[in-house]
Amino acid sequence: AQSVTQLDSQVPVFEEAPVELRCNYSSSVSVYLFWYVQYPNQGLQLLLKYLSGSTLVESINGFEAEFNKSQTSFHLRKPSVHISDTAEYFCAVSEGTGGFKTIFGAGTRLFVKA
Amino acid sequence: GAGVSQSPRYKVAKRGQDVALRCDPISGHVSLFWYQQALGQGPEFLTYFQNEAQLDKSGLPSDRFFAERPEGSVSTLKIQRTQQEDSAVYLCASSLAEGLASYNEQFFGPGTRLTVL
Repeated sequence: AQSVTQLDSQVPVFEEAPVELRCNYSSSVSVYLFWYVQYPNQGLQLLLKYLSGSTLVESINGFEAEFNKSQTSFHLRKPSVHISDTAEYFCAVSEGTGGFKTIFGAGTRLFVKA
Repeated sequence: GAGVSQSPRYKVAKRGQDVALRCDPISGHVSLFWYQQALGQGPEFLTYFQNEAQLDKSGLPSDRFFAERPEGSVSTLKIQRTQQEDSAVYLCASSLAEGLASYNEQFFGPGTRLTVL
């Protein structure tokens, strides 16, 4: 069975500092990996995804994540955060072999301080 | 609007009451998912529809939970004889998936917050 572990429930960081949100998964089959973001009072929206190919994927607002198969990780990074990045971030995994389920982690609340 | 909408946004029910939660997916989206999100947790899969066919309902926690999508667009999640442990945010998501659903972006609605007293 698949599972997703987000190692930090909350990450406080100062504006313009770098940040890494950690995500590890377990699966016996190939997977697709996602990061979703939920801004205050908004619904979840896709931030970035890994399907195949290059293991480094990027979003339009400066976030990136790297798929590491040997460590079964998909950590999310940003070199310099803004106040507007304050949100809850969810790592998710789905089967690459035709399943329908997407399994979400418990979420990491990123709090950017001025 | 062009997004996924859900109604009601908030629902308070007395224990034992039946509730119905509605989801309007993005027009033309083939796939529709329901999730349950408890406080402080990530969304947990409940069920999946491809058009009107319910292809996976393995996440429904009990036979009190029932979902339908009779015409392949709007979906309703019904919970019978609600219990306090049913209190959660219920999320609906849709995706423009043709065939395999697992790699497609899901577009989420704002959710329905259900509180069972």
